[in-house]
Amino acid sequence: GAVVSQHPSRVICKSGTSVKIECRSLDFQATTMFWYRQFPKQSLMLMATSNEGSKATYEQGVEKDKFLINHASLTLSTLTVTSAHPEDSSFYICSAGQRQAPRDGYTFGSGTRLTVV
Amino acid sequence: DAKTTQPNSMESNEEEPVHLPCNHSTISGTDYIHWYRQLPSQGPEYVIHGLTSNVNNRMASLAIAEDRKSSTLILHRATLRDAAVYYCILSDNSGGSNYKLTFGKGTLLTVNP
Repeated sequence: GAVVSQHPSRVICKSGTSVKIECRSLDFQATTMFWYRQFPKQSLMLMATSNEGSKATYEQGVEKDKFLINHASLTLSTLTVTSAHPEDSSFYICSAGQRQAPRDGYTFGSGTRLTVV
Repeated sequence: DAKTTQPNSMESNEEEPVHLPCNHSTISGTDYIHWYRQLPSQGPEYVIHGLTSNVNNRMASLAIAEDRKSSTLILHRATLRDAAVYYCILSDNSGGSNYKLTFGKGTLLTVNP
């Protein structure tokens, strides 16, 4: 089945630095990538949707200059948290979609636990 | 997106069936009913989805009410590995292109040994 590899699984960074999270589709072409954020004991919140070769579409309230999304290839999308602050500490998750809507649901990455100190 | 209502938590015993309810009284005619689950510190995992008819797969069964205003996810024999948060989500994927998933709070399922 479809596999999405997300790295790193955990990262700790200092306040003010930037962190890059990668999501790779291993055996399919991910024309669409969804990026979510999940705070402790809360549900997933969609941050943005990116289509390969196009600019990402951000959900209301998500700062596009802070959360930079690159989806330059059909197998790789990255989320860069710029100038990270402690309030950006969260669990970040990606999921990938192919050219047609998935017959058996979306495949999600395993998530990245970001801690900003 | 139409909203869904699920119990905050449920408990079951290992090897017994589990019925997880979901109410979606404002569902539209083109909304599909999706179920995903999320184990602790992992990304969500697809379970099952359907439109009108009941659906079965290797993981679970989905029973959809005739008026489509509610549905039930059925795990036929719960195992400890089924302990997770289960999300019932409505989304219109009738167009064939990629659709968004809006996650609610879900139901935390605890499985007792």
